[in-house]
Amino acid sequence: AQKVTQAQTEISVVEKEDVTLDCVYETRDTTYYLFWYKQPPSGELVFLIRRNSFDEQNEISGRYSWNFQKSTSSFNFTITASQVVDSAVYFCALSEARLNDMRFGAGTRLTVKP
Amino acid sequence: GAGVSQTPSNKVTEKGKYVELRCDPISGHTALYWYRQSLGQGPEFLIYFQGTGAADDSGLPNDRFFAVRPEGSVSTLKIQRTERGDSAVYLCASSSSPRTSPHEQFFGPGTRLTVL
Repeated sequence: AQKVTQAQTEISVVEKEDVTLDCVYETRDTTYYLFWYKQPPSGELVFLIRRNSFDEQNEISGRYSWNFQKSTSSFNFTITASQVVDSAVYFCALSEARLNDMRFGAGTRLTVKP
Repeated sequence: GAGVSQTPSNKVTEKGKYVELRCDPISGHTALYWYRQSLGQGPEFLIYFQGTGAADDSGLPNDRFFAVRPEGSVSTLKIQRTERGDSAVYLCASSSSPRTSPHEQFFGPGTRLTVL
């Protein structure tokens, strides 16, 4: 069975601090996809990144970076120099290639204070 | 272009009533998904359509829940004999995903259902 764990329920930082959101997943499949979504207070889920299981290269997009490590089944997300607008709930999700559903973690609520 | 739209944005109903929630996906997206998000939790998969057919309905909690997509575009999630435990935000997503490779799903704003 596929499962996603986001152990951090809430994180609070001060603006300009770096923050890492943890994501640990479980799957028996060798082919799978990992995602991060942002859910701001407005409620709409915003896609941030997709990574397939064969691509362990870390990715950087502006202030965002992702660290995928198959050895520890983790796909962590780091925000550098956080801003107030980064305040949201962030979800990590897993989709096995042979299935059509996406399993989400419980989310991490990030609050960035000015 | 237009994103995924869902109507109504809010729905309040009484226990035992029937409700319909509508999803209008991004034009041209063949895949459509329904999720349910309870307070403080991540979205939970309900059902997936590829075209007009329900390719995977394994997430529907019981037979009170049903969804259709008759013309391969708009979808309606139907809940019979609503219960207070059905209260949640119902999210719809669409993607251009081919059957074998999940691309990113684009989510609508959701319908907040409250069962009194």
